[in-house]
Parts: sequence; C-alpha cells; structure tokens
Amino acid sequence: GQQLNQSPQSMFIQEGEDVSMNCTSSSIFNTWLWYKQDPGEGPVLLIALYKAGELTSNGRLTAQFGITRKDSFLNISASIPSDVGIYFCAGQERYGGSQGNLIFGKGTKLSVKP
Amino acid sequence: DSGVTQTPKHLITATGQRVTLRCSPRSGDLSVYWYQQSLDQGLQFLIQYYNGEERAKGNILERFSAQQFPDLHSELNLSSLELGDSALYFCASSTKTGGEQYFGPGTRLTVT
Repeated sequence: GQQLNQSPQSMFIQEGEDVSMNCTSSSIFNTWLWYKQDPGEGPVLLIALYKAGELTSNGRLTAQFGITRKDSFLNISASIPSDVGIYFCAGQERYGGSQGNLIFGKGTKLSVKP
Repeated sequence: DSGVTQTPKHLITATGQRVTLRCSPRSGDLSVYWYQQSLDQGLQFLIQYYNGEERAKGNILERFSAQQFPDLHSELNLSSLELGDSALYFCASSTKTGGEQYFGPGTRLTVT
C-alpha cells in the first residue's frame, strides 16, 4: 500500500541532544499526525497538525505541517532516556469526508547512544 | 491510557483456523479503524466503520471481515489463517471520520 517516506530510519541520541525527523509524500495531505510507539504497545498520539505551515508544540516536541502539504517535521529538544521508542508520522488525505484512514511512515527508531 | 480497549492481548492459533478480535472505542467515538502491523509492512490500514456502517477499505484480505455493532464496539474476523497473518492488530477510534485517531493496545496474533 501507499506509504510515506520517513527519515532517518534510526538514530542514536545522547541525553540532552536535539532530535529531528521528517516525512515526505507524493500526495497532498490535509492532516499530519505524529505518534510514538513503545515495544508491544499501541501508538500514542503526540501532535496533530491541520493547516499548512502550522507549527505546534507539546512540551519538548515541536512539529510542523509543511507549506507544500507534502511534508512534516518533528523535533525533540533536550532528549531524555524516555524519548527512546519508534516515532511514526501519519498523513490523512481527507478530513471529515468518507475516508479517514491514516497512511503511515515506516518509523524512526530512537535509541540511546552506548 | 487511550480509552480504546482490545481483547485478547495475545492469541496463538494454528493455520486454517478462524479467530475474532474485539475492540471497544473511546466513549463518544463513532469511527473505528483496524490496522495490521507486521515487521516488513509497517502499519497498514485494513478497514473503517462509522456508526455501524463500513466507510473505507484498505488492504484487507477477502479472508478477513469486520463489523461494528449498535453499541459501537467492533470485531475483526480472520479466517483460514496463514503463517503470514501473524502480526499485531490495532484498533483505533475517532470522533468523526477524520482527524485524530486513538489506538488501543493491540492484539498480537501468532499463527503456528
């Protein structure tokens, strides 16, 4: 099925570092969502974006809805050990229409530097 | 806790069998979505229901079916199971047919 290009696939963080990841698509999306998933758990919604150019923060997390509506970015500032996990972007082509399903990126796996 | 519940947490069954996964959405949510997550395919949308009616279909096999009941809980039926059906199955719910979706804890299905 259709998927988003999410990068990087994985990264190692040291406590205190800032982290950036992004997603790009060939399709225009009306909604971008960012989720975090811990092993064996369901994805947890972090941030929802509904308007091109929108910049939204949730604590140390900041996400942006790209102007072209084909990309989105997530930044984590001053990372801490509990930030470890897999981060997924998800795009939604329509809002309020007949289809609300999400198209997911393959995830960015955040690990702690040894 | 997202407010979405799924049962069972784990399911182990043999090839050729049939299983039913259950999902209760968050209170007030009318839309239910089913997703499959496997290592090589990531999170894939299967099917969506809104207030009891099917609204959208994704990459759902013909061996799989779902329904949403009047009390808004949903069931995903998987039949003639194959080894490749082993995966995590997630249910998500939302208030309408778009916007934020909240995921349940998932059911891990292992087909042996």
